[in-house]
Amino acid sequence: GAVVSQHPSWVICKSGTSVKIECRSLDFQATTMFWYRQFPKQSLMLMATSNEGSKATYEQGVEKDKFLINHASLTLSTLTVTSAHPEDSSFYICSARVRPGGYTFGSGTRLTVV
Amino acid sequence: GIQVEQSPPDLILQEGANSTLRCNFSDSVNNLQWFHQNPWGQLINLFYIPSGTKQNGRLSATTVATERYSLLYISSSQTTDSGVYFCAALAMGSTLGRLYFGRGTQLTVWP
Repeated sequence: GAVVSQHPSWVICKSGTSVKIECRSLDFQATTMFWYRQFPKQSLMLMATSNEGSKATYEQGVEKDKFLINHASLTLSTLTVTSAHPEDSSFYICSARVRPGGYTFGSGTRLTVV
Repeated sequence: GIQVEQSPPDLILQEGANSTLRCNFSDSVNNLQWFHQNPWGQLINLFYIPSGTKQNGRLSATTVATERYSLLYISSSQTTDSGVYFCAALAMGSTLGRLYFGRGTQLTVWP
């Protein structure tokens, strides 16, 4: 089946540094990648939708300059959290639509900013 | 966007018990899906069910699109069923495939 590989699984970084999260589609081409953020015991909140070769579409309230999304190829999408602060600590998940009705999710990245 | 409401928010069961999770959505949908998020955070597709009934082992789901709700049935629950169950809806006419998630039902199954 369609697999999205997400790395790293967890990362601890110092406040002010940047962190890059990668999502690779292993056996299919991901034209569109969705990036979510999830706080403890809460639902998934869509941050942005990225399409291969074009600029990402960000949800209202999500800072474009802070959460940089790149979708340069059909198999790789990245999310860079720039100048991270403790309030950016969260669980980040990517997802791709494989076919109508089929969504596959990365395993998530737990980011802790200290 | 579509409003998706799930109930109950929390559910605690003894192993072997049956349960029903409900999902209401505010508008006509092109797609309704159920996911399971395990304790490690991984989300797994359970059902793609815009209408009708589907079964997969001990799990089954029913969506009544005209009444804008979906139900997920878990029979003979096991401890491995623990986790969060989300339903998510795709708006009618959506081209990008953006899902709207409910807040989830936290299921805990005790041995």
